[in-house]
Amino acid sequence: AQKVTQAQTEISVVEKEDVTLDCVYETRDTTYYLFWYKQPPSGELVFLIRRNSFDEQNEISGRYSWNFQKSTSSFNFTITASQVVDSAVYFCALPFNNAGNMLTFGGGTRLMVKP
Amino acid sequence: GAGVSQSPSNKVTEKGKDVELRCDPISGHTALYWYRQRLGQGLEFLIYFQGNSAPDKSGLPSDRFSAERTGESVSTLTIQRTQQEDSAVYLCASSEAGARGYEQYFGPGTRLTVT
Repeated sequence: AQKVTQAQTEISVVEKEDVTLDCVYETRDTTYYLFWYKQPPSGELVFLIRRNSFDEQNEISGRYSWNFQKSTSSFNFTITASQVVDSAVYFCALPFNNAGNMLTFGGGTRLMVKP
Repeated sequence: GAGVSQSPSNKVTEKGKDVELRCDPISGHTALYWYRQRLGQGLEFLIYFQGNSAPDKSGLPSDRFSAERTGESVSTLTIQRTQQEDSAVYLCASSEAGARGYEQYFGPGTRLTVT
């Protein structure tokens, strides 16, 4: 069965520190997608990134970077020079079957960035 | 353009009453999803609509839950005879298509409290 595990339930850092959020997944599919979403205190989920399992290149977007390791079934997310506005709950997700795009989510990691 | 909207934003109801939650997807999005998020937890898939196809109801937790969608527009999630364990935030999302990999855009959610 498809499963996403985010072992870190809560992380607290001081502004400007780098922080990595872990995501480990299980899938029976040979090709799949992985997603990261951000849920700020306002509650609305914001899409961050989509990764196709064909592409193992790491991706960087500003202060955000993602490390996809198919061999270890991990898709970790790093924020460089964290800011208070990065405080949110972050979710990793993948579609749970081939019939559609319904997502199974990890439990989320709450990141608190203190000034 | 307009994002996904949901109403009401908050709903308090007494145990045993029926409630209806509404979702307006992004115009032109053929796929629509309902998820539930219990306090401090990740999202659980409930139901998925794709165009005029039969919905995927595999995530509905009991027969007290049902949903409808008119064509490719508004969807309503109905919970009959509400129970306290139904208290959660109900999130709606839409995507351009239902195939795996399409980004889902989430609404702000409806916070349901059953007293």
